[in-house]
Amino acid sequence: NAGVTQTPKFQVLKTGQSMTLQCAQDMNHNSMYWYRQDPGMGLRLIYYSASEGTTDKGEVPNGYNVSRLNKREFSLRLESAAPSQTSVYFCASTRGVGNRELFFGEGSRLTVL
Amino acid sequence: GENVEQHPSTLSVQEGDSAVIKCTYSDSASNYFPWYKQELGKRPQLIIDIRSNVGEKKDQRIAVTLNKTAKHFSLHITETQPEDSAVYFCAASWAQTGANNLFFGTGTRLTVIP
Repeated sequence: NAGVTQTPKFQVLKTGQSMTLQCAQDMNHNSMYWYRQDPGMGLRLIYYSASEGTTDKGEVPNGYNVSRLNKREFSLRLESAAPSQTSVYFCASTRGVGNRELFFGEGSRLTVL
Repeated sequence: GENVEQHPSTLSVQEGDSAVIKCTYSDSASNYFPWYKQELGKRPQLIIDIRSNVGEKKDQRIAVTLNKTAKHFSLHITETQPEDSAVYFCAASWAQTGANNLFFGTGTRLTVIP
């Protein structure tokens, strides 16, 4: 039982390049989330998926797209990376109704030059 | 949307002393208030949470209090130990069903001095 697994753990991009962060959970959770963490700013929600087949914008969605591929997997795509997207990205999941605990992945550190 | 403010941003205490971290929220509809602990280089993990129908909750050395009228909640850690050193985040959410969209505070770096 691995919990929430995200890849890659580290990535360096040049401005304008694209990439996809992958996330998978094996806890049969319904909802999945992508957060970014920046120094002094806490964790901010980028996109979330309440259930398979649905996705919605969070606080800071600009410059990102997501895909809920199936119940287990939720990917985050940067189409044209910018230095402002340098951050640590966390994927998380929750069981859903009645259980609100967020289970986080280990994080992905992205640097955009 | 919800706005969560957290204070202080850094806190140093002597081992064995108590630590208190305070948060305020803006949306009166918020009904769920968790606290997450993040050790250096690790993922955030839930340590305690409280719902709006409860004023206080305790789990061993950790307690959380909620004042709905004033829209603030606090984390209390007693008898602090070096392993309590970490960044602590408060959060607020109003989700009733479906996704749990948490709005996080900016974090408090707690250092426990042996």
